[in-house]
Amino acid sequence: GESVGLHLPTLSVQEGDNSIINCAYSNSASDYFIWYKQESGKGPQFIIDIRSNMDKRQGQRVTVLLNKTVKHLSLQIAATQPGDSAVYFCAEIEVNRDDKIIFGKGTRLHILP
Amino acid sequence: DAMVIQNPRYQVTQFGKPVTLSCSQTLNHNVMYWYQQKSSQAPKLLFHYYDKDFNNEADTPDNFQSRRPNTSFCFLDIRSPGLGDAAMYLCATSLPRPSPYNTQYFGPGTRLTVL
Repeated sequence: GESVGLHLPTLSVQEGDNSIINCAYSNSASDYFIWYKQESGKGPQFIIDIRSNMDKRQGQRVTVLLNKTVKHLSLQIAATQPGDSAVYFCAEIEVNRDDKIIFGKGTRLHILP
Repeated sequence: DAMVIQNPRYQVTQFGKPVTLSCSQTLNHNVMYWYQQKSSQAPKLLFHYYDKDFNNEADTPDNFQSRRPNTSFCFLDIRSPGLGDAAMYLCATSLPRPSPYNTQYFGPGTRLTVL
């Protein structure tokens, strides 16, 4: 069977509250960032992206903030819903280096009723 | 809808018995990736193709091979699965750099069980 995996950090949020998921990235040369949502038994799903020439980008109920000074990325989800329960991964890319992305460790978002 | 399709969604094999997982895409993307994901971990890149150009990760075991017969299809072959190879296998596609958006689009994954 599978080897025991690392314990994912978990964020528990009351339904209807806002969620903030944080990510520290590793490569100061990374210039493109993506947040993925992965529900149980499914592949990662693109949520929102941001380029390094921006510090904020908004989507529908989601906002991504980028702080290049401290290499920090955050995902804010407004009015959290039960369907937001998932593992969230940040990913970084150095666009002109190669075609690979580097995933962060992931955070499990748990919605409390 | 354009998408990344993986078959089968669940695969059971016996220890040492070769298995092939398949991925197809209708996005017409040049780059295709195979990842291994174990429980509570981030996806781990095994290899990727830029068109027919194969790029293996340094730490990918020789037990894992891949084929890409055309733009749309890519296969992952596990020659002699061990118990440690039980995992979710994810296929992804993207446009190549210097595309301004190298977003990778993932398939639903194949859950491999090794008995």
